[in-house]
Amino acid sequence: SQELEQSPQSLIVQEGKNLTINCTSSKTLYGLYWYKQKYGEGLIFLMMLQKGGEEKSHEKITAKLDEKKQQSSLHITASQPSHAGIYLCGADGRTPLVFGKGTRLSVIA
Amino acid sequence: EAGVAQSPRYKIIEKRQSVAFWCNPISGHATLYWYQQILGQGPKLLIQFQNNGVVDDSQLPKDRFSAERLKGVDSTLKIQPAKLEDSAVYLCASSLAEQQETQYFGPGTRLLVL
Repeated sequence: SQELEQSPQSLIVQEGKNLTINCTSSKTLYGLYWYKQKYGEGLIFLMMLQKGGEEKSHEKITAKLDEKKQQSSLHITASQPSHAGIYLCGADGRTPLVFGKGTRLSVIA
Repeated sequence: EAGVAQSPRYKIIEKRQSVAFWCNPISGHATLYWYQQILGQGPKLLIQFQNNGVVDDSQLPKDRFSAERLKGVDSTLKIQPAKLEDSAVYLCASSLAEQQETQYFGPGTRLLVL
């Protein structure tokens, strides 16, 4: 079965700093989703990547899928308190969507 | 456009009691999913419906969990009897179709079993 490993597990950054979250799959990815979750709340869709080398941006968040389609990174530029939350990657491996355990991001002033 | 609706938002029960959760997906979405998210973990799929038919329920503990989507729109998930380890957030999601379609999630129901 497909497994996703996210790193780091948690991250504390100062407001205005850049950061990167990684998601590594045990198998080739047919699609990779990034979601954000506030504590105890539902998941908010951020982006979906399908093609090797694909890169998408939304406001200050950029996600990329590597050429081999087994690893994705999520980069936040000039972090703000509103970016705080849990970031989850989800893999569409032609089986039920499988999620990583999430990366908890805290942004401090 | 209205999002995925879930109720209740919170529920506290004692072990061996029963509980039911309700989900109303985004209008027009054929596929509905129920996930269980234990604290510190990613969501785990319990059951997936395509219209009113079950597509995947391989990870649903069928001895105590049941779900239905009778008219192909809203859905209920039931636990009977509940165990302590069922304490989790139960998330409902919906998508237009099945494969390679973005899933949109509801706010979840937080269940605490004492």
